[in-house]
Amino acid sequence: QKEVEQNSGPLSVPEGAIASLNCTYSDRVSQSFFWYRQYSGKSPELIMSIYSNGDKEDGRFTAQLNKASQYVSLLIRDSQPSDSATYLCAGEGGNEKLTFGTGTRLTIIP
Amino acid sequence: NAGVMQNPRHLVRRRGQEARLRCSPMKGHSHVYWYRQLPEEGLKFMVYLQKENIIDESGMPKERFSAEFPKEGPSILRIQQVVRGDSAAYFCASSRSIAANNEQFFGPGTRLTVL
Repeated sequence: QKEVEQNSGPLSVPEGAIASLNCTYSDRVSQSFFWYRQYSGKSPELIMSIYSNGDKEDGRFTAQLNKASQYVSLLIRDSQPSDSATYLCAGEGGNEKLTFGTGTRLTIIP
Repeated sequence: NAGVMQNPRHLVRRRGQEARLRCSPMKGHSHVYWYRQLPEEGLKFMVYLQKENIIDESGMPKERFSAEFPKEGPSILRIQQVVRGDSAAYFCASSRSIAANNEQFFGPGTRLTVL
């Protein structure tokens, strides 16, 4: 099992709808979790961090963590064309280094 | 702008030359991380440094690659005798401290092309 796995997509969502991005992880990266957004040719931009079971909301973004199922997700409400990007899930296992999934490419269709 | 700074943004080298990539962390950050992103691949951890110390270099190739973060000045990732397979985007990230839940913020990256 890969340490962090994401559905590579591509995922297409109509503008205004909810985009749901999912990530599973192994025991080795089970301390902290991060969602980054990366536009083509640009660097990763931190969107959300989550450390405890449950939901964490920030504006249109909600991160969800379920440690029993080893599952973390990112919901984007009221999707905008500017949300079109690759979303990277990352886990950290207590040793400070981040392990990234391969990313999910999201396209918001106007 | 108090963000992570990297230079150069683009670097072209011929096989066998040396590449030096520089990173200045965000103000107030003392932890620096280097990651590499190969075309169509995910980000891979290379090395984690604090001032004058390499904390974890488990992701860095044993040969030709080295990193430092001196007491004064930027962190430097050095690649000696570059080969075509070294062509990639190299990103530096910094964090405030491990007590701050280790949120890492990325610089704009250096895109290395080896001819």
